[in-house]
Amino acid sequence: NAGVTQTPKFQVLKTGQSMTLQCAQDMNHEYMSWYRQDPGMGLRLIHYSVGAGITDQGEVPNGYNVSRSTTEDFPLRLLSAAPSQTSVYFCASSTAGDSYEQYFGPGTRLTVT
Amino acid sequence: GENVEQHPSTLSVQEGDSAVIKCTYSDSASNYFPWYKQELGKGPQLIIDIRSNVGEKKDQRIAVTLNKTAKHFSLHITETQPEDSAVYFCANSWGKLQFGAGTQVVVTP
Repeated sequence: NAGVTQTPKFQVLKTGQSMTLQCAQDMNHEYMSWYRQDPGMGLRLIHYSVGAGITDQGEVPNGYNVSRSTTEDFPLRLLSAAPSQTSVYFCASSTAGDSYEQYFGPGTRLTVT
Repeated sequence: GENVEQHPSTLSVQEGDSAVIKCTYSDSASNYFPWYKQELGKGPQLIIDIRSNVGEKKDQRIAVTLNKTAKHFSLHITETQPEDSAVYFCANSWGKLQFGAGTQVVVTP
């Protein structure tokens, strides 16, 4: 099993550009989520999904969109990048929700200039 | 908002000594308390977790204690080794998982 994979590893965007961060898992997990990690602030939940076709907002959803068309994939879209979105983004998956072990991907480091 | 506070933010220990990280939380409905370890350039990885019906859990050199009355839980690492150097995050869940700000642990030989 590859676990949770994320692409790209690094990305630099200009303000106003859009992009999609890819996340895939091969563990047949129903629950998937996106976090951003900023210095001194831990991990903050952006969006999550409890299964294909179902998504919901987390703590910091503004400026981000998600969709879940398959169990395996959970892409995160930035519609119009802003410098405040400079961060490290982690995708995670879990068998049954946030009260169970989260399996994190290796992260995407995004810089918005 | 921050539901869980984590201290200290940095911790330097001599190899072989013990390390203790403490977290406090505010929501009394919290029932799941995991600890994650993040090595440089990697995603966090679960090292131990505890549920609200248990006061202590141990796994080799690591242990977690939970005091539900006082709303705090702690991670204890004994006989620290250089490979224990990492950032450690506490978290708690009551239907929403929230993370502490992290503790940078440095183990010096």
